[in-house]
Amino acid sequence: SQQGEEDPQALSIQEGENATMNCSYKTSINNLQWYRQNSGRGLVHLILIRSNEREKHSGRLRVTLDTSKKSSSLLITASRAADTASYFCAIYTSGTYKYIFGTGTRLKVLA
Amino acid sequence: KAGVTQTPRYLIKTRGQQVTLSCSPISGHRSVSWYQQTPGQGLQFLFEYFSETQRNKGNFPGRFSGRQFSNSRSEMNVSTLELGDSALYLCASSLGTSENNEQFFGPGTRLTVL
Repeated sequence: SQQGEEDPQALSIQEGENATMNCSYKTSINNLQWYRQNSGRGLVHLILIRSNEREKHSGRLRVTLDTSKKSSSLLITASRAADTASYFCAIYTSGTYKYIFGTGTRLKVLA
Repeated sequence: KAGVTQTPRYLIKTRGQQVTLSCSPISGHRSVSWYQQTPGQGLQFLFEYFSETQRNKGNFPGRFSGRQFSNSRSEMNVSTLELGDSALYLCASSLGTSENNEQFFGPGTRLTVL
């Protein structure tokens, strides 16, 4: 399966701490996107990182991509209660014309 | 700029019926993709349309179909509904084809099949 596998499946941290979640995949990719979803609502796009990029930042978010290890990580710094959500990675492989979503990490930030 | 809109937001149908869901992309976006989300299977790709042409279709039966209009609005249709079709259906739009562009998702249509 090309599906991105996310780790951990669930994560609970205190407000102010950093949260790290990982996405691993099996094939070569064109790009990878990270999304956030609150309580079964629509997905919010966070960051797109292309296969030739190694790191991208957006506010408190940092995404890294290691194509040799076929993995990506999403770091949320100084987490807030409002960051409580499920986080998904989605991978795009050349020739497939579709994104394959990971199983998601459920993050809970305790106030 | 208005986001992606989906109608209706909630829908209850019975087995055997058919349903049509609508998605209006962000203005200027030409690609619309559809996904099904269930607790058991997660997010699964249904199809992507770009300039009124279907680029790809996921591993779903022929009961699932879609189309895109010249104004980029898209509809998906599910015929002969089954209980297992109960899900959150999400559409996403992107400026160009999805592989090189960010996808922006709508709030989804929650379909319940009784």
